[in-house]
Amino acid sequence: QKEVEQDPGPLSVPEGAIVSLNCTYSNSAFQYFMWYRQYSRKGPELLMYTYSSGNKEDGRFTAQVDKSSKYISLFIRDSQPSDSATYLCAIRNSGYSTLTFGKGTMLLVSP
Amino acid sequence: DGGITQSPKYLFRKEGQNVTLSCEQNLNHDAMYWYRQDPGQGLRLIYYSQIVNDFQKGDIAEGYSVSREKKESFPLTVTSAQKNPTAFYLCASSREDYGYTFGSGTRLTVV
Repeated sequence: QKEVEQDPGPLSVPEGAIVSLNCTYSNSAFQYFMWYRQYSRKGPELLMYTYSSGNKEDGRFTAQVDKSSKYISLFIRDSQPSDSATYLCAIRNSGYSTLTFGKGTMLLVSP
Repeated sequence: DGGITQSPKYLFRKEGQNVTLSCEQNLNHDAMYWYRQDPGQGLRLIYYSQIVNDFQKGDIAEGYSVSREKKESFPLTVTSAQKNPTAFYLCASSREDYGYTFGSGTRLTVV
């Protein structure tokens, strides 16, 4: 079983839709959960950073962590064409442990 | 503004040549990382360094070498031993217990 699983998509939605992006993971020791957004031919940028279980909201973005199910989600409200990108989940244990990345989900938001 | 600078943006390598990719950060981060990104493969860790003059191999270190003589700099050399070097290379840095900050990437092509 891979450490982090993420559906590659593409996920196509109309503008204004609510988007749900998800990852599952296998190692219960993971404590730090992140979502990155990557536009084509650019480096990933950190969108959301959460520690342990629970929700975190930032504008139109909500990150959700369910450690009991080993499941993390990113919700995007009122999606915009500018949200079209690849979204990568990333997880780490603690300290300087390296990040484990999902393979990314491509999101396409049509006007 | 603080950030990570990767250069060059595009690089062409002839068969049998060694090439060096530059990565410089002014974020005062201790840890630095090199990733390779191929379509459908996600991000794969090549090397990382948590402190000056020390570095560790990642999952795909064969055919690559690095140095960390200064905190700000973490250059990656793609040697002739790397048989399939065409890819998008990403450098990142981080402080303890937080996400990575990525550079804008170098696209390497073998000609």
